[in-house]
Amino acid sequence: DQQVKQNSPSLSVQEGRISILNCDYTNSMFDYFLWYKKYPAEGPTFLISISSIKDKNEDGRFTVFLNKSAKHLSLHIVPSQPGDSAVYFCAASPLGGQGAQKLVFGQGTRLTINP
Amino acid sequence: DAGVIQSPRHEVTEMGQEVTLRCKPISGHDSLFWYRQTMMRGLELLIYFNNNVPIDDSGMPEDRFSAKMPNASFSTLKIQPSEPRDSAVYFCASSEGTTNEKLFFGSGTQLSVL
Repeated sequence: DQQVKQNSPSLSVQEGRISILNCDYTNSMFDYFLWYKKYPAEGPTFLISISSIKDKNEDGRFTVFLNKSAKHLSLHIVPSQPGDSAVYFCAASPLGGQGAQKLVFGQGTRLTINP
Repeated sequence: DAGVIQSPRHEVTEMGQEVTLRCKPISGHDSLFWYRQTMMRGLELLIYFNNNVPIDDSGMPEDRFSAKMPNASFSTLKIQPSEPRDSAVYFCASSEGTTNEKLFFGSGTQLSVL
């Protein structure tokens, strides 16, 4: 049973436009969420996170939105750049501050930015 | 720091053979994790060590899988005997402390079992 779901395996966006990656979760105990970015032949790297006490967190071109009632979060990239082409993993943890051992990852979404 | 170092980068073996994957975590990180990535299930946690002690191995698929961490700078994941369904990318990751959700991943080992 997938507790964290990324229903779009892939997404293609034109350079300069907005990229929106979505993630749904089923466990209401999750209260800390992270996005990781993965380039081919490399390991995932941390991108941005959000706690359930917030509904938005912004870092440069990257913004994560959290809708707790819908159990949904999204990552917005504006404007999209070719270097953003990668696989993006959504991850969730119950009771933030418990460490990474509780992290549950989604299947990932492959984002391709077209020139 | 060079980051989390994994070896080998690629491993091709035949069914029934023993496979050993290696990991060197970031110096000073006291938590180490082994993950497996597949298309269907994404990133799955196999086992978690804290201060070299295995804390949670509930994600280890079967007795064919075993992991050790003899010291703070080295860990192994062993599969014996290997099967074709074990083919996946295996990642090692480390983090600082037991309350930090931010992981630092190695580049992974692409395992193919024929």
